[in-house]
Amino acid sequence: EVVLTQSPATLSLSPGDRAALSCRASHYISTYLAWYQQRPGQAPRLLIYDASNRATGIPARFSGSGSGTDFTLTISSLEPEDFAVYYCQQRNNWPRTFGGGTKVEIK
Amino acid sequence: QVQLKESGPGLVKPSQTLSLTCTVSGGSVSSGSHYWTWIRQPAGKGLEWIGRIHASGTTDSNPSLQSRLTISVDTSKNQFSLRLTSVTAADTAVYYCASYDILTGSAYYFDYWGQGALVAVSS
Repeated sequence: EVVLTQSPATLSLSPGDRAALSCRASHYISTYLAWYQQRPGQAPRLLIYDASNRATGIPARFSGSGSGTDFTLTISSLEPEDFAVYYCQQRNNWPRTFGGGTKVEIK
Repeated sequence: QVQLKESGPGLVKPSQTLSLTCTVSGGSVSSGSHYWTWIRQPAGKGLEWIGRIHASGTTDSNPSLQSRLTISVDTSKNQFSLRLTSVTAADTAVYYCASYDILTGSAYYFDYWGQGALVAVSS
């Protein structure tokens, strides 16, 4: 099983700040990684797929990078609605696995 | 656009069977290009992929749950279902149904989700 380790667990930032979230895979997963956003009481929403492609309707301030085992989600300038929990997920191996999440909170 | 909605009992007794149904609208479970998936999330914790089914009946399951898990599809009702036997408190979670279309750019990632259904395992 591919273990995805996200860091930091919590990121305390202010609106307008740049956020950089990390996801590290225990095994090589090429670029088969996605990022999801989950707001309280809501289902996750797909943001980025295949490491760097924005999903339909996702603002340009969200970007993804990385390959192999190290990946980053960057939010260029935080909007109030971006304060949420973010999960990475791999589709290179079975079973599909998710990271433990990074909470982006208002400082 | 595909819409998904989970339904089922919110409370299940230990050792009994958890059963949930996901009703699909805006799409067809008979679609050859869609995969229908179950994912769960214990309160305050991360996401766990449970398994998936294709209209052909082909399933894939998380090995950690495989011995207790059945996923099925009902094309006449445009639904797919989850059965998890011999449940314990560790199975208490919000259960989501989700889907993806392998003909889209975001194939194999979960771009449609239900609202989630909370299932508590307690006597």
